[in-house]
Amino acid sequence: GAGVSQTPSNKVTEKGKYVELRCDPISGHTALYWYRQSLGQGPEFLIYFQGTGAADDSGLPNDRFFAVRPEGSVSTLKIQRTERGDSAVYLCASSSGGVNTGELFFGEGSRLTVL
Amino acid sequence: EDQVTQSPEALRLQEGESSSLNCSYTVSGLRGLFWYRQDPGKGPEFLFTLYSAGEEKEKERLKATLTKKESFLHITAPKPEDSATYLCAVRDGGATNKLIFGTGTLLAVQP
Repeated sequence: GAGVSQTPSNKVTEKGKYVELRCDPISGHTALYWYRQSLGQGPEFLIYFQGTGAADDSGLPNDRFFAVRPEGSVSTLKIQRTERGDSAVYLCASSSGGVNTGELFFGEGSRLTVL
Repeated sequence: EDQVTQSPEALRLQEGESSSLNCSYTVSGLRGLFWYRQDPGKGPEFLFTLYSAGEEKEKERLKATLTKKESFLHITAPKPEDSATYLCAVRDGGATNKLIFGTGTLLAVQP
């Protein structure tokens, strides 16, 4: 597709369960970002990949959160032992040239609800 | 600590009634200020990048300006389709590549 694709669009899970969220960036984009957005808030940075490696993971809130991008394209955000406070929209974005232009292309997000 | 503050939180305009949104920032070594538009249920959509004080960018009814402490998004003769949340973000001068977003201004333009 032409844009950033995220699946699932909605995920409802129970506290303590494991969750995976997938991001398929725009073809050819080397930079990929994960952000988290709570209701009424702006997006909050989680992690940034340049190619296959995590260049900046300073936004991951704790060790329950982990992300991979094994082939430099699709990325998966993994959340272990989910908590109710993890409920939010998880946004993925990609760009062609690092963050130098600030022009990130966002997907529509995965809405996670932890009961 | 780097901070971005947007005001007002919400703004209701009549169609054709021009106004401005404000973004104040505190950052050590600005490496860019960015405006995004976000529609309900969608991801943010890039609008503008500004790098230095005095710089201006325009797109249709929108014009973004930048000073050393704040940025304004001017909306001239808005239409209902301009209704959205407008987000401001900055990138600091450090090694990080992350954008720091404000909480946004929810704009509603009534016909």
